[in-house]
Amino acid sequence: GENVEQHPSTLSVQEGDSAVIKCTYSDSASNYFPWYKQELGKRPQLIIDIRSNVGEKKDQRIAVTLNKTAKHFSLHITETQPEDSAVYFCAASGGADGLTFGKGTHLIIQP
Amino acid sequence: NAGVTQTPKFQVLKTGQSMTLQCAQDMNHEYMSWYRQDPGMGLRLIHYSVGAGITDQGEVPNGYNVSRSTTEDFPLRLLSAAPSQTSVYFCASSAGRKKAFFGQGTRLTVV
Repeated sequence: GENVEQHPSTLSVQEGDSAVIKCTYSDSASNYFPWYKQELGKRPQLIIDIRSNVGEKKDQRIAVTLNKTAKHFSLHITETQPEDSAVYFCAASGGADGLTFGKGTHLIIQP
Repeated sequence: NAGVTQTPKFQVLKTGQSMTLQCAQDMNHEYMSWYRQDPGMGLRLIHYSVGAGITDQGEVPNGYNVSRSTTEDFPLRLLSAAPSQTSVYFCASSAGRKKAFFGQGTRLTVV
């Protein structure tokens, strides 16, 4: 089955700086890569996703890049703000059993 | 339009007791799934269903049963609760195996 590795587990950045979270996947058949944001005590919520026929996608301060050859994808957050503090999960999908998640990155925005 | 609704929000069980976590969605999604979330482990798939009458196992199915008699409902049954099942449980639904929408979660403690 699919295996998704996510790094780092914790990321602390100064407010206004950029944050990058990286994931790798193992199954070359995976073709859909979403990112979820989970605030403390809340449910995971989809913030951006990308399909394997696209190399990059951007939505305001958030962007995701995908390298199919290397089987890795990344989340980029620019001009970080206090409300960006949360746990972020990457995931991959393409097979019969839906989404496989990474273990999460705790993003801390320092004032 | 309520989305994905889970009940209860909190539950304490004694070892050996059984219970059912309820999940309902009103988006007419064919795909529903159950995840458990443990610290540092991300979201792990327990069981999933691709439509009424069809269920399958995910990564960590032992100790759990599911059924899908209608499109809307996908209950998760704990047969004989164990302390290792202490976790936060999330139900999710999607139109395909892609954009998953999560319920608010059930925090289960087994003593």
